[in-house]
Amino acid sequence: EAGVAQSPRYKIIEKRQSVAFWCNPISGHATLYWYQQILGQGPKLLIQFQNNGVVDDSQLPKDRFSAERLKGVDSTLKIQPAKLEDSAVYLCASSPDTSGNTIYFGEGSWLTVV
Amino acid sequence: KQEVTQIPAALSVPEGENLVLNCSFTDSAIYNLQWFRQDPGKGLTSLLLIQSSQREQTSGRLNASLDKSSGRSTLYIAASQPGDSATYLCAPASGTYKYIFGTGTRLKVLA
Repeated sequence: EAGVAQSPRYKIIEKRQSVAFWCNPISGHATLYWYQQILGQGPKLLIQFQNNGVVDDSQLPKDRFSAERLKGVDSTLKIQPAKLEDSAVYLCASSPDTSGNTIYFGEGSWLTVV
Repeated sequence: KQEVTQIPAALSVPEGENLVLNCSFTDSAIYNLQWFRQDPGKGLTSLLLIQSSQREQTSGRLNASLDKSSGRSTLYIAASQPGDSATYLCAPASGTYKYIFGTGTRLKVLA
């Protein structure tokens, strides 16, 4: 089966510009996660969707980050305006449901803000 | 709030050694715990999933144990190989099945 797809893989932008990342989860997976991983740290959960509803967005910096999941499938994560400290890998992951099955990760979108 | 700590932060060993990677977490009300591997420039690959009712899980040369009451999990790697070099992350799932990650153990196995 196809894995979690993310694009773009790499992006370099100037501070105060905007950027959007796209994620296509594994077909049929109800739960979708966006994580931010800063170099040398573990992934930090930004937002969790179940179908097209938000389950948890407590660590999403809502003044500059937004995310949506249309029709309970694909998702986009947007940053506007970007700051230097947003330089990180943005990882999308999906899971079949919320009963604790294995979570599958995409290869990530690498963002450098200069 | 769940906090996850992994020790050691980095490890460099000769090929063939048996390894122990430690993970501790503050909130014992977890549904399960997963161990992941991350290669440079790549996403995360799940290695082992231990349900909260289980004590251990094995896959090949990997064995993970879970002591939920004390908030600890251990990943054992037997007969380490250079191909095992990667960062290993543990992540307990709690609350709304949120996976909270530690900072990882960077492993280098020397040939």
